[in-house]
Amino acid sequence: DQQVKQNSPSLSVQEGRISILNCDYTNSMFDYFLWYKKYPAEGPTFLISISSIKDKNEDGRFTVFLNKSAKHLSLHIVPSQPGDSAVYFCAASARGGYQKVTFGIGTKLQVIP
Amino acid sequence: GAGVSQSPSNKVTEKGKDVELRCDPISGHTALYWYRQSLGQGLEFLIYFQGNSAPDKSGLPSDRFSAERTGGSVSTLTIQRTQQEDSAVYLCASSKDRVGKAFFGQGTRLTVV
Repeated sequence: DQQVKQNSPSLSVQEGRISILNCDYTNSMFDYFLWYKKYPAEGPTFLISISSIKDKNEDGRFTVFLNKSAKHLSLHIVPSQPGDSAVYFCAASARGGYQKVTFGIGTKLQVIP
Repeated sequence: GAGVSQSPSNKVTEKGKDVELRCDPISGHTALYWYRQSLGQGLEFLIYFQGNSAPDKSGLPSDRFSAERTGGSVSTLTIQRTQQEDSAVYLCASSKDRVGKAFFGQGTRLTVV
């Protein structure tokens, strides 16, 4: 039962353009959402997060949008750079409860120079 | 150290042997996770420890897999009678209580030959 779904296994974007990575969730108890980035042979690293009290959080080139009614979030990277090429994992947790973070299976982003 | 530390970084073992993988979480982090990533696959949840609560073992793929967390700190993931399908990168992560952001170690690459 995938509570956090990333339906696009891969995405290719031209350098300088916008990358949009999507994530859907099914558990209405989730109220904290995170994006992680993973390079080959390394552990995932935290990128950006958003609480359910917000619908947007921005950090430099990275912006996360949350649509609670649709149970959907997205990560926008603009402008995309070749160094952004990595696997991006969406994750969610229910802060009031057990705290377990549930991850999606990831989307591989390739930024073409 | 400041981050999550895993050892060994690489492990090659013969089919049927037992292996132990170690994780040293960030000091003070009460939550500890084990995940694995098989080649070409996403993050697969294995087990979750939160403080003194009973661990969430719902992700362990078989009874050959077990994990302990001694003194609320170091954790050991044990795989008995290893099989070739156990070959994967095993990732450990820790987080503070009530904060969803998890920090990952660099992983242990397990190869069963």
